[in-house]
Amino acid sequence: EAQVTQNPRYLITVTGKKLTVTCSQNMNHEYMSWYRQDPGLGLRQIYYSMNVEATDKGDVPEGYKVSRKEKRNFPLILESPSPNQTSLYFCASSLGTDLFNTGELFFGEGSRLTVL
Amino acid sequence: TQLLEQSPQFLSIQEGENLTVYCNSSSVFSSLQWYRQEPGEGPVLLVTVVTGGEVKKLKRLTFQFGDARKDSSLHITAAQTGDTGLYLCAGAKSGSGTYKYIFGTGTRLKVLA
Repeated sequence: EAQVTQNPRYLITVTGKKLTVTCSQNMNHEYMSWYRQDPGLGLRQIYYSMNVEATDKGDVPEGYKVSRKEKRNFPLILESPSPNQTSLYFCASSLGTDLFNTGELFFGEGSRLTVL
Repeated sequence: TQLLEQSPQFLSIQEGENLTVYCNSSSVFSSLQWYRQEPGEGPVLLVTVVTGGEVKKLKRLTFQFGDARKDSSLHITAAQTGDTGLYLCAGAKSGSGTYKYIFGTGTRLKVLA
């Protein structure tokens, strides 16, 4: 089954404790991205990757890091989480930049993060 | 910076009524997509519109892309309780090596039986 898998789905942590949210897709997609969803603000793009070793900032990258060492994986790293990073996070993937304008974004089920 | 504004933010209607959701921007997009999101799940694509003025129909849902490719609308005819959910528009912006999807603020629709 084609899917995007995120882990963990739920996480409560404390300020400053490094954490990683993993994302994996099994569709051989080139394009992957991370979003955070907050009430009244919709989905905001954090980082995206056009292919292995090719990442770029989205609209709200501060406080986050990503890496793309393999095509299928795109982990989101919070080196020193703060309470304002409490949010619902989504990973998504799409075919690639050649079909960027018409490509469907496939989303994971989301990871709800609370930073105390 | 929020480039896509959706209206209304919330909508509660009776089953059988019609409704329209708007997605507006001052920016031009290469394409515009509409997604629906249910609680506890990620958004799922409904439609992609690419050409200015394009109209697409998906059963009781009609999507239109503005002539200038800056805005879009979603019209639902004879809403059903199964239409309940969060509707999100998303504009694709590419160029100069960047590839971004900009999402709207969302419209939360509740259809009452």
